[in-house]
Amino acid sequence: DGGITQSPKYLFRKEGQNVTLSCEQNLNHDAMYWYRQDPGQGLRLIYYSQIVNDFQKGDIAEGYSVSREKKESFPLTVTSAQKNPTAFYLCASSGFGGNNQPQHFGDGTRLSIL
Amino acid sequence: QKEVEQNSGPLSVPEGAIASLNCTYSDRGSQSFFWYRQYSGKSPELIMSIYSNGDKEDGRFTAQLNKASQYVSLLIRDSQPSDSATYLCAGVFTGGGNKLTFGTGTQLKVEL
Repeated sequence: DGGITQSPKYLFRKEGQNVTLSCEQNLNHDAMYWYRQDPGQGLRLIYYSQIVNDFQKGDIAEGYSVSREKKESFPLTVTSAQKNPTAFYLCASSGFGGNNQPQHFGDGTRLSIL
Repeated sequence: QKEVEQNSGPLSVPEGAIASLNCTYSDRGSQSFFWYRQYSGKSPELIMSIYSNGDKEDGRFTAQLNKASQYVSLLIRDSQPSDSATYLCAGVFTGGGNKLTFGTGTQLKVEL
């Protein structure tokens, strides 16, 4: 089945550690996105990529990094510089075709600090 | 700063009633709007898209867009307990590429 796969489902980070969240899609979508969701808040955009080997910062990019070496994959690294990483991380993708393309989400990764 | 505003709720409706969820936005140049449903602990699921003024119906769901008044609404007819979730409104704004700006969501509770 086509879809977006995020792994792991749960992740724990130690102090000073970088962790990487995986996002893979087999929908042949050009654009991919990373969001963060905190309790009682909406989704906030971290990074997005509309084409392979290119990505842009979203509203809260500090403390995060991404790569887009393949169309199917858009991993997110939460670095030690991100002092409050505990959140629900959501990856999304959409077809490239202007503003009318809806985004579809993976199941998310919950990150907590040990 | 482009903003999408929603009442956080909870909005409680009895089973079988019509639930009305509303969303306002700050940018007149907005292009497209989407409604997502998010069950507790789960990821958002797209339920409706609307791009032009007027109503769009899909089963028990009707999305309404009024660009002059800058609001979007979602009506759920014959509400069921399984509709209990948080509903997120999101918009794509001019000059934003395909980036979505999300509201904080409205919690809907459908009571037996």
